[in-house]
Amino acid sequence: QLQLQESGPGLVKPSETLSLTCTVSGGSISSSSYYWGWIRQPPGKGLEWIGSIYYSGSTYYNPSLKSRVTISVDTSKNQFSLKLSSVTAADTAVYYCARHSLPTHWFDPWGQGTLVTVSS
Amino acid sequence: QSVLTQPPSVSGAPGQRVTISCTGSSSNIGAGYDVHWYQQLPGTAPKLLIYGNSNRPSGVPDRFSGSKSGTSASLAISGLQAEDEADYYCQSYDSSLSGSVFGGGTKLTVL
Repeated sequence: QLQLQESGPGLVKPSETLSLTCTVSGGSISSSSYYWGWIRQPPGKGLEWIGSIYYSGSTYYNPSLKSRVTISVDTSKNQFSLKLSSVTAADTAVYYCARHSLPTHWFDPWGQGTLVTVSS
Repeated sequence: QSVLTQPPSVSGAPGQRVTISCTGSSSNIGAGYDVHWYQQLPGTAPKLLIYGNSNRPSGVPDRFSGSKSGTSASLAISGLQAEDEADYYCQSYDSSLSGSVFGGGTKLTVL
């Protein structure tokens, strides 16, 4: 059974870079037909897709975040990572990683999520 | 403001049927892109409930059904149960934004 698990600091200072890693178990991140994505949810609000990556390294990002986002993949560790630069309080959210099916674009399964708070 | 529009809340009594709408535009649902639905129980991660407009993943009860027409989609839940109380989100792809988009979410209350 495929499982995803987010990890990383729960507190980041304003203007710094948020860094998270998603570890995939129970399957290979190098599977064809799937991208691997990041989605976030501010407290009490809705879901926002951040970006997705293919095992080859091909990426595509939400245009509203593109200038600050970098997603990378490490197939040897079955992991993919998110970096979000110049964070502000508006970036405080639960960050989820998920398998992203293409070309249909559904997300399944999801990791349990990790809360990242931006505060000094 | 979400690209896909959902009602903030819906409610129904146990055993009843409720529907949740998801309205998009010609660059997403109306362009033929699939709509997917997620259920988010309190304090948990979203779970795929319906994919490809009307398909249920293994393990999802047939009380849940999805449909799509024109620039809109709907999620129907029949035989409401207390455990259905959750937030529901629709999601599709938008060609203008070149990415995935979500609705704002609908909170279902079982009375």
